Amino acid sequence: TQLLEQSPQFLSIQEGENLTVYCNSSSVFSSLQWYRQEPGEGPVLLVTVVTGGEVKKLKRLTFQFGDARKDSSLHITAAQPGDTGLYLCAGPVNAGKSTFGDGTTLTVKP
Amino acid sequence: DAGVIQSPRHEVTEMGQEVTLRCKPISGHDYLFWYRQTMMRGLELLIYFNNNVPIDDSGMPEDRFSAKMPNASFSTLKIQPSEPRDSAVYFCASSPPVTFGPGTRLLVL
Repeated sequence: TQLLEQSPQFLSIQEGENLTVYCNSSSVFSSLQWYRQEPGEGPVLLVTVVTGGEVKKLKRLTFQFGDARKDSSLHITAAQPGDTGLYLCAGPVNAGKSTFGDGTTLTVKP
Repeated sequence: DAGVIQSPRHEVTEMGQEVTLRCKPISGHDYLFWYRQTMMRGLELLIYFNNNVPIDDSGMPEDRFSAKMPNASFSTLKIQPSEPRDSAVYFCASSPPVTFGPGTRLLVL
């Protein structure tokens, strides 16, 4: 079973601070996806990283895929209350199926 | 596009009752997934379909759970009989790209 471990489990910071959350596995993934889930809603796909070492930016969010394609990180610069949510990483197990990490719950206080 | 549509959004029922959750995927998506989310177990894949055919139902907890996809625009997840431990948020998603519905919050008393 390809497991994804996310850390930290919970993170509470003040508006304007920077933060990094992690997604790690002992298995190699062909790609990894990051989602954000807001309370009462379904997860929303933010980005897919495919190439080892790849860095993708989405406004204040920077996603990196590890060189060995076993891990990924999400860095948020100058966090805002609107960034509050559950951040999930997911990796494909086969053509249709993905496995999800347990997520990092981020709270950004104004 | 209205996105993935799920109904009902909330369901409260009593133990032993049948529960049917419904999903309309995004038109043109050929994969459909049913997930369950709880605090204890996170997001779990129950079953997924490709072109209306069930591909992997290994995540279905037990025989009380069943899912169907009679056509490309509709799927159901049925629990019969329901139990309190089935209380969770049930998500339907379709792909590609992966798009989740808003979920059905199920409470079994």
